Amino acid sequence: GDSVTQMEGPVTLSEEAFLTINCTYTATGYPSLFWYVQYPGEGLQLLLKATKADDKGSNKGFEATYRKETTSFHLEKGSVQVSDSAVYFCALSDLQGAQKLVFGQGTRLTINP
Amino acid sequence: GAVVSQHPSWVICKSGTSVKIECRSLDFQATTMFWYRQFPKQSLMLMATSNEGSKATYEQGVEKDKFLINHASLTLSTLTVTSAHPEDSSFYICSARYGGASTDTQYFGPGTRLTVL
Repeated sequence: GDSVTQMEGPVTLSEEAFLTINCTYTATGYPSLFWYVQYPGEGLQLLLKATKADDKGSNKGFEATYRKETTSFHLEKGSVQVSDSAVYFCALSDLQGAQKLVFGQGTRLTINP
Repeated sequence: GAVVSQHPSWVICKSGTSVKIECRSLDFQATTMFWYRQFPKQSLMLMATSNEGSKATYEQGVEKDKFLINHASLTLSTLTVTSAHPEDSSFYICSARYGGASTDTQYFGPGTRLTVL
């Protein structure tokens, strides 16, 4: 079945550092890809998405490009802030049936001032 | 836009009682809602898919008689944990599907923390 694999955390960086969180997927079709963020004590929020190969999703300085050839959707940000500390989830949604989301295991990110 | 609410945000109950959690899409209609369970420091586990006007579809291993789902309208789905026990304590999250075929996105509620004593 479909699956998503994220780099293991936790990840700790200093403010203004460059961030990459790796995400690869396995899917039989051509899924849509998502990054969700969960801030402490809150529910998941959609951060960005891409629906087809070579699409780039972007929001709040974060970017991810849908790479079909490497089945990847890595999350990047050029300069992180303390407020970016959260858990980040990569997910895919197939385009069949109920279009269920399949989540990666999540990566906890901590940014130190 | 695309806001999903859950009520209550937290609940504590005694073992053996039933608890109902509501999930509402506030500014859009959702024919499909999803219920997830999240354990501490872990990912979300899909429990069931809730379709308006029909029976929910449960994932393998989820007891449908224990976790009753009712999608009574296009803006409301409820999850009832029946005869709750301490092992049912968890963070329950709903989501609602919004958008057309190629722009389909799930929007999540803030979650409900259930503690069974």
